[in-house]
Amino acid sequence: NAGVTQTPKFRVLKTGQSMTLLCAQDMNHEYMYWYRQDPGMGLRLIHYSVGEGTTAKGEVPDGYNVSRLKKQNFLLGLESAAPSQTSVYFCASSLRRVGTEAFFGQGTRLTVV
Amino acid sequence: GNSVTQMEGPVTLSEEAFLTINCTYTATGYPSLFWYVQYPGEGLQLLLKATKADDKGSNKGFEATYRKETTSFHLEKGSVQVSDSAVYFCALRPWLSGGGADGLTFGKGTHLIIQP
Repeated sequence: NAGVTQTPKFRVLKTGQSMTLLCAQDMNHEYMYWYRQDPGMGLRLIHYSVGEGTTAKGEVPDGYNVSRLKKQNFLLGLESAAPSQTSVYFCASSLRRVGTEAFFGQGTRLTVV
Repeated sequence: GNSVTQMEGPVTLSEEAFLTINCTYTATGYPSLFWYVQYPGEGLQLLLKATKADDKGSNKGFEATYRKETTSFHLEKGSVQVSDSAVYFCALRPWLSGGGADGLTFGKGTHLIIQP
């Protein structure tokens, strides 16, 4: 049982480059999320999805886009990377049921130089 | 809006000491409350949870009780070990707005260091 899998695990980008982070879950969860984790800031929600074909903005959406073409996959895109996007990115998923927890991937450490 | 406040660290303790990490929250209705743990270089793992007032979550010797009257969910452990060194996050999932469709709200995390 893989749970939530993120690829890649590490990446270094130059300012202005683009990239896509992939998140896959095998638990048939309806909800999926992208968070970023920065020192002293905890986890902040970037975008989320309540089901296939749907996406919505979270707390810090600027500079990111997302897509959920299949229920099991949630993609996070950076169109033009900036040093401020250097962070650790976590994908998570959860059931729609109230009171259930979110399951997290292992994270992607992104450095923008 | 929803928010979670937890004591910031680092918190340094000796092995076998008693641990308390404070967590208070602001939310409407009856949120579900969680403690997650993050070991170095890893993702977040659920440690314990509570879904209604007066519920006690427990796991691996850790406990936390959902106190609605004080809007708190403090994490405790009677005797910590070096292997408990990690970052601990308190989080809530709201009852309203689709039951958490817009994600969990996290505290900033508490770095716990246990010295032998």
